[in-house]
Amino acid sequence: DTEVTQTPKHLVMGMTNKKSLKCEQHMGHRAMYWYKQKAKKPPELMFVYSYEKLSINESVPSRFSPECPNSSLLNLHLHALQPEDSALYLCASSLGSGNGNTIYFGEGSWLTVV
Amino acid sequence: GENVEQHPSTLSVQEGDSAVIKCTYSDSASNYFPWYKQELGKRPQLIIDIRSNVGEKKDQRIAVTLNKTAKHFSLHITETQPEDSAVYFCAAVAAGNKLTFGGGTRVLVKP
Repeated sequence: DTEVTQTPKHLVMGMTNKKSLKCEQHMGHRAMYWYKQKAKKPPELMFVYSYEKLSINESVPSRFSPECPNSSLLNLHLHALQPEDSALYLCASSLGSGNGNTIYFGEGSWLTVV
Repeated sequence: GENVEQHPSTLSVQEGDSAVIKCTYSDSASNYFPWYKQELGKRPQLIIDIRSNVGEKKDQRIAVTLNKTAKHFSLHITETQPEDSAVYFCAAVAAGNKLTFGGGTRVLVKP
């Protein structure tokens, strides 16, 4: 089973709201990722967690705050977002964080900021 | 950092014909090259991958080749079918298992 589950599938939020995106995997993977994908563009890496510790932050604005409560869960807390942050947010996981570990994506959360 | 160029950006083929997508990468340290297929509104799904110690890999109608010296790799789809219509992304992986994607190729298979 290569299942990465994301909730919610769709989210509409105002610029003053606080919301969270959630991601879960039960494959025993120890690396988890957040990617952002704008329309007609490739996914762009935001954060990498390895063994529940943040290992890569691709200079993401602080209005995006990741959290890894345990090895199966990954959250992305959203606060004071801008309309240009509207995108598909993809969670992914891999067995390890070393090069060449296959990365599996969830179905994504479609975020619209109004 | 790594930079991946992908061509063409769109590709229209007749059902049954072959499709070829080409990518180049810049970081010689990259050692893993996956290909993802993304249908409209869906997640990117891994369809095939190749590691730097291998020159070619095949899985049914899909094959990938890698030329490390020239830093380019290609995806070949034979006997295309309408369900092959999607956006295809190549990617290169370097330190930290960071995926850097190419710009994508929109493939349309005409019945």
